[in-house]
Amino acid sequence: QSALTQPRSVSGSPGQSVTISCTGTSSDVGGYSYVSWYQQHPGKAPKLIIYDVNKRPSGVPDRFSGSKSGNTASLTISGLQAEDETDYYCCSYAGSYTWVFGGGTKLTVL
Amino acid sequence: EVQLVESGGGLVQPGGSLRLSCAASGFTFSDYSMNWVRQAPGKGLEWLSYIISSNDLINYADSVKGRFTISRDNAKNSVYLQMSSLRAEDTAVYYCARDRVYAFEDWGQGILVTISS
Repeated sequence: QSALTQPRSVSGSPGQSVTISCTGTSSDVGGYSYVSWYQQHPGKAPKLIIYDVNKRPSGVPDRFSGSKSGNTASLTISGLQAEDETDYYCCSYAGSYTWVFGGGTKLTVL
Repeated sequence: EVQLVESGGGLVQPGGSLRLSCAASGFTFSDYSMNWVRQAPGKGLEWLSYIISSNDLINYADSVKGRFTISRDNAKNSVYLQMSSLRAEDTAVYYCARDRVYAFEDWGQGILVTISS
């Protein structure tokens, strides 16, 4: 149950796109189509923004999109807005009703 | 509106025990699996435990297996986390989270557990 690997930080200017990667193994990210992404503002609970690799819950803007290739999943945020500046976490199902999170990525909007 | 409210946190000495509760409302609790996730101060999220809706399938992260016990009472719309043999590294904000089939759809506000002498 090793944590998934995310970049510690990414940045982009308003209106641009940024992509956050999430690398695991064939036992988690590569083995299942069950990658989810969470947005967490300081002092708040995480919020689900992507599930099943690329599905968005109701109410999440379509600026947020997800994808996966092999053992690496990605979250892309297009049309960056100041309110997107916060922490993002990936998570993957790892079999036998266990899950593993990434270490988190801090997004800075320049 | 889905609401998850954790309670039972606080300061505990190393080696001690604590029981967290999570009261659910706004949905049919008995239809959903539930999870506990924690976040140490300044650190990332860590999945801890899962319990299926029917109470007959449970699993744990290796870091808490044998020390933590998850349970639920569908009649009381609540899920619990019994924590024992607590260590300093268990200091964290603990969240309960409603399962949406391989993801965590709704989260409580979190409850702080501090392990210190």
